[in-house]
Formats: sequence, C-alpha cells, structure tokens
Amino acid sequence: QLQLQESGPGLVKPSETLSLTCTVSGGSISSSGYFWAWIRQPPGKGLEWIGGISKSGDTYYNPSLKSRLTMSVDTSQNQFSLTLSSVTATDTAVYYCARWDTSSSQWFDPWGQGTLVSVSS
Amino acid sequence: DIQLTQSPSSLSASVGDRVTIACRASQSIASYSNWFQQKPGKAPKLLIYAASSLQSGVPSRFSGSGSGTDFTLTISSLQPEDFATYYCQQSYSSPPTFGQGTKLEIK
Repeated sequence: QLQLQESGPGLVKPSETLSLTCTVSGGSISSSGYFWAWIRQPPGKGLEWIGGISKSGDTYYNPSLKSRLTMSVDTSQNQFSLTLSSVTATDTAVYYCARWDTSSSQWFDPWGQGTLVSVSS
Repeated sequence: DIQLTQSPSSLSASVGDRVTIACRASQSIASYSNWFQQKPGKAPKLLIYAASSLQSGVPSRFSGSGSGTDFTLTISSLQPEDFATYYCQQSYSSPPTFGQGTKLEIK
C-alpha cells in the first residue's frame, strides 16, 4: 500500500525559506503514469495546488507561487521536495504531498497526513 | 484560473438521508472533475474521479454525475462516518483548482 509522509520544520520565520520533503513508501516514485504533487490548506480554509514534479524532474508550478517555488525529486531515496522562498504569514498552512495521476482525470491519491508549517517570528 | 463554486457551503442531515452537493465551474470542464472527502485533522480522500467513476474501496452509496459546468456528488444513504467536508476539483486546465468545500453536519 502506497504511503506518503511529509517532513520538515514546523516553524519558519518571515522572509526565510520553507523546505519540505515527502518520502514515498510501499511503491516506487519512478512508477509510470504518475507525477508527485504538493497541496496546501491554510487553517480553516480550502485547498490550493502548489505544484508537481515528474520522476525525471519536470516541474509544474502554480503561477501564483512560481517565482518563489522550487521542486526536486530524488529517485534513489524515493523522495521529492519543495522549497518556498520569502515566506509570509499567508504561507502558514498544512502542507500535503500526494501522488498525482497523469491521465486526463489528474486526481490526487493517496495523500500524506500533512504537516503544519507556521510562518512567524 | 477556473473557479469552482460549491453549494451549499454547509448542510445538516440525518443518518439515512439522501444528500446531494453541487459544484459549478466558471467554464466548461467537460468531465474533468474529482471529489474528495476530508475529516477533521485528516488528509483529503479521493471518492470520485472523472465526474462519475468510483475510486476503488469507496462505498457504492457515493456517486457522481455531471459534465460541462455542473456536477453533483450524491450520498444515497448517509452513514455516521460520512459527516465531513467535501471538495470538488477540476483537472481540465492548469492550475488544478478546488471548490471552497461543503461541510456536512449531523442534524
């Protein structure tokens, strides 16, 4: 059974860089037909797609975050990562990683349990 | 970006009720809609993809329909474990976007 687990600091200072890693277990990040995505949810609010990455490192970013966003993949470690620079309080959210289907349906499943990142001095 | 508007934003219902949640897109998205269930403190769970296909392991009381701009998620007979927040999502164009959510509460 495929499982994903986010890891990284829970507190980041304003103007600094947020860095998270998602570790995939129970399956290979190199599996065909899938990308790997990040989605976030501010406390009490809805879901926002941040971006995604393929096993070969092709990236797909939300234009609203593109200038601050970098994603990478490490197939040897079965991990993919997110860095978001120049963070502000509006970046406070639960960050989820998820497998992203590359068919026309492009669903997200399964998801990691999520990790809360707070931006505060 | 394509906007998705769900209605209602919240809904009270009883165990055994039939419930329908609507999702309207700001432009046609063909059949590229997915539905998720989220319980408090948990990650969203995929229920329906491609408007009407039931994800493996999801109970058959969940169903989806629609195409173009209007979609619905129906729960045929509410069970206690179904009280949660539901989100629609479009995959027609990038960036993928989500509705604002519908919170289903116990009456």
